[in-house]
Amino acid sequence: QSVLTQPPSVSGAPGQTVTISCTGSSSNIGADYGVHWYQHHPGTAPKLLIYGGDNRPSGVPDRFSGSQSGITASLAITDLHAGDEAHYYCQSYDSSLSASVFGGGTKLTVL
Amino acid sequence: VQLQESGPGLVKPSETLSLTCTVSGGSMNSYYWSWIRQSPGKGLEWIGHIYYSGSANYNSSLESRVTISVDTSRGQFSLRLTSMTAADAAVYYCARQAGKCRRTSCFPYGMDVWGHGTTVTV
Repeated sequence: QSVLTQPPSVSGAPGQTVTISCTGSSSNIGADYGVHWYQHHPGTAPKLLIYGGDNRPSGVPDRFSGSQSGITASLAITDLHAGDEAHYYCQSYDSSLSASVFGGGTKLTVL
Repeated sequence: VQLQESGPGLVKPSETLSLTCTVSGGSMNSYYWSWIRQSPGKGLEWIGHIYYSGSANYNSSLESRVTISVDTSRGQFSLRLTSMTAADAAVYYCARQAGKCRRTSCFPYGMDVWGHGTTVTV
């Protein structure tokens, strides 16, 4: 069982918006250690999409955005493209474990 | 900055896995260097990290079997995982994490550079 909890799957049609949640606790997300999101296509390396809750690395489209409130963070993807179909993972640091922790991952299906 | 994993793709049960990640195009200073794996059909699992100065932390579920070391002069960090079983078969990635500091402590942040991954079969 992962320290960070994500829904196993979400889906949406091209052009629609989907949101993926990530729920942690007071020793990780709630302690303001930053929440980071990754996109992972099979056979490739994961790619950092969002860091520090709501910051995009250069080259990441603004269709991807992050937010955070309390112990929950969210990734929103607007104007869905077929190429967005992938697994998405949230990650933070947990002070009680002295460890980086991942969510279990969410599979996004573009209908 | 680029990362490249290297090591054997096949390990026998009970043996030790040794992987190396070579860092090119940048300094190792002021960063955390991590190992992550993904077993077939499962999600990403953080194995551990080492700060460039040599301080390491490990996933508690693997702590008794794992050692991560760093050699900044060679631009490399390494993973050693003992007593390998079929459950350790996975794609192993290395990654760079920036450090963020507040008050008197620092902690690892997002993983902004990843290696391509190396498949390990047991």
